[in-house]
Amino acid sequence: KNEVEQSPQNLTAQEGEFITINCSYSVGISALHWLQQHPGGGIVSLFMLSSGKKKHGRLIATINIQEKHSSLHITASHPRDSAVYICAVKLIFGTGTRLQVFP
Amino acid sequence: EPEVTQTPSHQVTQMGQEVILRCVPISNHLYFYWYRQILGQKVEFLVSFYNNEISEKSEIFDDQFSVERPDGSNFTLKIRSTKLEDSAMYFCASSDYWGAGNEQFFGPGTRLTVL
Repeated sequence: KNEVEQSPQNLTAQEGEFITINCSYSVGISALHWLQQHPGGGIVSLFMLSSGKKKHGRLIATINIQEKHSSLHITASHPRDSAVYICAVKLIFGTGTRLQVFP
Repeated sequence: EPEVTQTPSHQVTQMGQEVILRCVPISNHLYFYWYRQILGQKVEFLVSFYNNEISEKSEIFDDQFSVERPDGSNFTLKIRSTKLEDSAMYFCASSDYWGAGNEQFFGPGTRLTVL
């Protein structure tokens, strides 16, 4: 059975801080999905990655297939980054990491 | 920019009634999905659909649920005889290739409230 675990569950930060959110999974995969869920409920795709690293603006996602682990980093965090960040593998979603960034 | 749309945004129904949730996927996408998220819980996969048939479904997707692509644009989720525990946000998503390795685009969701 595929399990997807995220840590931490909740995260608070001051504006400008570097953020790291972790995701571990239990089955072999070809790709992992990072998503952002806004306070209003909408879900936005951030990254789909199968190896190495991807960068988009202030967001960086890395994956280690052998260790079954991925991280999402946010550089120079901003209050508008406040959201729930979700890792998904093979249609199984993690419980999400709730990030709050304070000015 | 193309987007997935869902209607209605909020549906209130009485227990035992049937509801149909509608989705319009991105036009050139071939794979369609329904997910649900009970308040305060994680997103759960319900079903995926390709070439006019279900390609994968979860344990949640029992005989109470059905999906259909009635025309070239709409993708619907029907819930027969709704129960209180069906209250949730339902998300539709679409992708241009099979979803496990390809990016899915999500609609804004339909909040279903069963009274």
